[in-house]
Amino acid sequence: AQKVTQAQTEISVVEKEDVTLDCVYETRDTTYYLFWYKQPPSGELVFLIRRNSFDEQNEISGRYSWNFQKSTSSFNFTITASQVVDSAVYFCALRAFTGGGNKLTFGTGTQLKVEL
Amino acid sequence: GAGVSQSPSNKVTEKGKDVELRCDPISGHTALYWYRQSLGQGLEFLIYFQGNSAPDKSGLPSDRFSAERTGGSVSTLTIQRTQQEDSAVYLCASSETVNQETQYFGPGTRLLVL
Repeated sequence: AQKVTQAQTEISVVEKEDVTLDCVYETRDTTYYLFWYKQPPSGELVFLIRRNSFDEQNEISGRYSWNFQKSTSSFNFTITASQVVDSAVYFCALRAFTGGGNKLTFGTGTQLKVEL
Repeated sequence: GAGVSQSPSNKVTEKGKDVELRCDPISGHTALYWYRQSLGQGLEFLIYFQGNSAPDKSGLPSDRFSAERTGGSVSTLTIQRTQQEDSAVYLCASSETVNQETQYFGPGTRLLVL
């Protein structure tokens, strides 16, 4: 069975602070994909990044960076110099091939509030 | 290009009525997925379609839920005899193929069953 845990339910930061959102996953598959999605107040899920299990190289995109560590089954997401527009719910998701079918298994999400 | 579209945006219905929710995937995407987002259950997979293959219905919560995809494009999710616990946001997503891993989501249909 697949499982994604986002232990942080809600995080509040002041603008320009750095913030890290944690994601821990469980799967018995050796081949899988990990994702992060952003859900702003408008409700639409916005794709941020996809990472496959064979690529542990960390990635940076502007103020966003992702740290994938298979040894700890974690795929953490860091926002540098946060802005009010970053306020949203962020979901980590897993797609594994054996037993998981073609569905995404989501974590429960982390509500990020960035205040002035 | 145009993203995934869903209609209606909001739907209020009375318990026991049937509802139909529509999803129009990104043009050219052959895989289509339905998810449900509710307060108590988070984001749950319901069903997916890939081309002409039999759909994976493993996530449908009861036989009151069904979905079809006509002509390999538009999909309709039908809930019969709605119950209050069906109140949720129903999200549709599509991807180029089932093996093209990134699923792109629509804005959702917010369903309220009174």
